[in-house]
Amino acid sequence: KAGVTQTPRYLIKTRGQQVTLSCSPISGHRSVSWYQQTPGQGLQFLFEYFSETQRNKGNFPGRFSGRQFSNSRSEMNVSTLELGDSALYLCASSPSTGSEYEKLFFGSGTQLSVL
Amino acid sequence: SQQGEEDPQALSIQEGENATMNCSYKTSINNLQWYRQNSGRGLVHLILIRSNEREKHSGRLRVTLDTSKKSSSLLITASRAADTASYFCATDGSGGYNKLIFGAGTRLAVHP
Repeated sequence: KAGVTQTPRYLIKTRGQQVTLSCSPISGHRSVSWYQQTPGQGLQFLFEYFSETQRNKGNFPGRFSGRQFSNSRSEMNVSTLELGDSALYLCASSPSTGSEYEKLFFGSGTQLSVL
Repeated sequence: SQQGEEDPQALSIQEGENATMNCSYKTSINNLQWYRQNSGRGLVHLILIRSNEREKHSGRLRVTLDTSKKSSSLLITASRAADTASYFCATDGSGGYNKLIFGAGTRLAVHP
């Protein structure tokens, strides 16, 4: 099976712009989670989607949003970018059932730089 | 805020030595997981231990869990240069739905 695919790998934006990141989960995985990783705050949970529904959300401002499509692919959007949004954004999928339902399978991430 | 605190923050050892990393957390958990991250890439799941388990092994990995102290340790035996990475503990806390709370991580450097 192919792993979790995130695109693009690198992204450079300027303050005030918006950005959309994409994630394709492992085939058969219906849960997709997003995490932000920064040197200062570490890994922080953004949100989780299952069957196109957001089931949980972290403590991020409303500028951070996401969605999941019927094929389980997910996108996250950040509007009105700020310098502090520079981070590695990681997507993870989970089978949600079976022996591995609690494990997260991560993509390689999108490195976003806001100038 | 992060649930877990890990120590040490950085660890440097020689190949063949054992590496021990510790993790503490704050709230009750259903399980605790350890992940590895190479050079800012994605995380790779290593091992999961449930709250009713005290010890678990997987290859050269040994994980212990002490729920009374809200702490866990990860032991890597006979370390190799390829083990050089950052290691994170993650707890499910009370958020559920794959909302893992990660520790700050331990950077392990294994020198040939």
